[in-house]
Amino acid sequence: GQQVMQIPQYQHVQEGEDFTTYCNSSTTLSNIQWYKQRPGGHPVFLIQLVKSGEVKKQKRLTFQFGEAKKNSSLHITATQTTDVGTYFCAVGETSGSRLTFGEGTQLTVNP
Amino acid sequence: NAGVTQTPKFRILKIGQSMTLQCAQDMNHNYMYWYRQDPGMGLKLIYYSVGAGITDKGEVPNGYNVSRSTTEDFPLRLELAAPSQTSVYFCASSYLGLFSGNTIYFGEGSWLTVV
Repeated sequence: GQQVMQIPQYQHVQEGEDFTTYCNSSTTLSNIQWYKQRPGGHPVFLIQLVKSGEVKKQKRLTFQFGEAKKNSSLHITATQTTDVGTYFCAVGETSGSRLTFGEGTQLTVNP
Repeated sequence: NAGVTQTPKFRILKIGQSMTLQCAQDMNHNYMYWYRQDPGMGLKLIYYSVGAGITDKGEVPNGYNVSRSTTEDFPLRLELAAPSQTSVYFCASSYLGLFSGNTIYFGEGSWLTVV
């Protein structure tokens, strides 16, 4: 199946600082999804990117899909304590029936 | 709508015991999935189903079995529990395949400890 590397594994920031997590693949991806999991919670779907070079925004969150469709990033502007959690990227198989998750980036925000 | 409902939420098993994790969704979703998540790790796909009567293996199927007799239910069976199966198990569902931009909904998880 598809393999994705997600970096960094951990990120500690002060409230108000920006945060970015990256997802990289050695193969071209058909699509990529991003999820957020709060401590002790379940993953919650954030967004899906499909097109080369696509950029989508959700309030302070900006998602990008690389031009070669081999990488993606999630950027949070001016982090808040509510942003705490683990952010996962996930990529779909060609058939569309399976989703492979990255190892996640655990974000902590110091108030 | 309740969404995706998993039971039990917590369970302690002894080595060699068997149990079934229940999963039900009331959204008429065709696709259902079982993932496991070890501490500090990502999610690994155990089994998935694209519709009633159809199941297929994921990345880590050994030690597990599934069935999909109805659209709503997708139970996960552990036949001979081993300590390596200590994990959090998530059931998930989506209406269409994962290419369609559809949201995948996760249950709240089942924490399983094998001692």
